[in-house]
Amino acid sequence: QKEVEQDPGPLSVPEGAIVSLNCTYSNSAFQYFMWYRQYSRKGPELLMYTYSSGNKEDGRFTAQVDKSSKYISLFIRDSQPSDSATYLCAMSAGGTYKYIFGTGTRLKVLA
Amino acid sequence: EPEVTQTPSHQVTQMGQEVILRCVPISNHLYFYWYRQILGQKVEFLVSFYNNEISEKSEIFDDQFSVERPDGSNFTLKIRSTKLEDSAMYFCAAGGAKYEQYFGPGTRLTVT
Repeated sequence: QKEVEQDPGPLSVPEGAIVSLNCTYSNSAFQYFMWYRQYSRKGPELLMYTYSSGNKEDGRFTAQVDKSSKYISLFIRDSQPSDSATYLCAMSAGGTYKYIFGTGTRLKVLA
Repeated sequence: EPEVTQTPSHQVTQMGQEVILRCVPISNHLYFYWYRQILGQKVEFLVSFYNNEISEKSEIFDDQFSVERPDGSNFTLKIRSTKLEDSAMYFCAAGGAKYEQYFGPGTRLTVT
């Protein structure tokens, strides 16, 4: 079983839709969870950062962590064509600097 | 939003040559990282650097790799003798807190 799993997509949605992006993981020691957006041939851009379980909201983005299910989600409300990108989850255990990345989900928001 | 810059944007080198990839973090960043992403694959951790020393490295970061922060601003990754399989995007990341990582735009390294 991979440490971090992410559906590669592509996920196509119409403009204005609510998007749900997800990652599952196997290492119960993970405590720090990040979501990045990566446009083609660019560096990952930090969107959201959460610690342990719970929800965090920032504008149109909401991150959820369910440690009991080893499942994290990123929701994008009122999706825009400019949201079209690859979304990466990354996570880390306490006591380490190393983040483990998912393979990314490619999102296409259609105008 | 803090910006990390990297140079060059694209480096082509011959197998066996040494390359140095450069990163300029934001001035108040304390933690520094190098990651790589082989085309079509996931982002992989190489090394973290804090307080002027390596704090953690992956199994990829072997003796061919080294990092340093020579002048308190630049943060460099050196590959001593490049191999074909070193061809990848190399990303520098930095942050002011241990679990905060802002990525630069990357350097595309092509080894021929």
